[in-house]
Amino acid sequence: GENVEQHPSTLSVQEGDSAVIKCTYSDSASNYFPWYKQELGKRPQLIIDIRSNVGEKKDQRIAVTLNKTAKHFSLHITETQPEDSAVYFCAASSGYSTLTFGKGTMLLVSP
Amino acid sequence: NAGVTQTPKFQVLKTGQSMTLQCAQDMNHNSMYWYRQDPGMGLRLIYYSASEGTTDKGEVPNGYNVSRLNKREFSLRLESAAPSQTSVYFCASRGRTTGELFFGEGSRLTVL
Repeated sequence: GENVEQHPSTLSVQEGDSAVIKCTYSDSASNYFPWYKQELGKRPQLIIDIRSNVGEKKDQRIAVTLNKTAKHFSLHITETQPEDSAVYFCAASSGYSTLTFGKGTMLLVSP
Repeated sequence: NAGVTQTPKFQVLKTGQSMTLQCAQDMNHNSMYWYRQDPGMGLRLIYYSASEGTTDKGEVPNGYNVSRLNKREFSLRLESAAPSQTSVYFCASRGRTTGELFFGEGSRLTVL
């Protein structure tokens, strides 16, 4: 089955800095890569996703890049703000099969 | 439009007791899932139901059973709770149009 590795497990940045979270996957058939944000005590919510037919996708301050050859994808957050502090999960799946999640990255943005 | 609703939000059990977590979605999704979340372990799939009438094991199914009661409802049962089942449980549903997973608010279960 699919295996998703996520790094780092914790990330501390100053407000205004950029943050990068990286994930690798094992199944070359995976073609859907979402990122979820989970604020403390809340449910995970989708923030951005990318499919294997594109290499990059951007939505305001967040962007995701995908390297199919190397089987890794990354989340980039620019101009970080305190409200970006949360746990971020990457995930991978093939088509509409089950999603496999990484173990999560706790991002702390200090004012 | 409530999305995914799960109950109860909190529960304390003694070892050996049984309980059922209830989940319902109003988005007409075919697929429903139960995950558990433990510190440092991410979200691990317990069971899922790709469509009404079908259920399949996920990564960590031992000690759990599920029932897909109808298209809206998917319940998770602990027959004989163990301390290792102390966790936060999330129900989720997924539509085929976007592939997005919609989560419930979570159920925090403590087994003493």
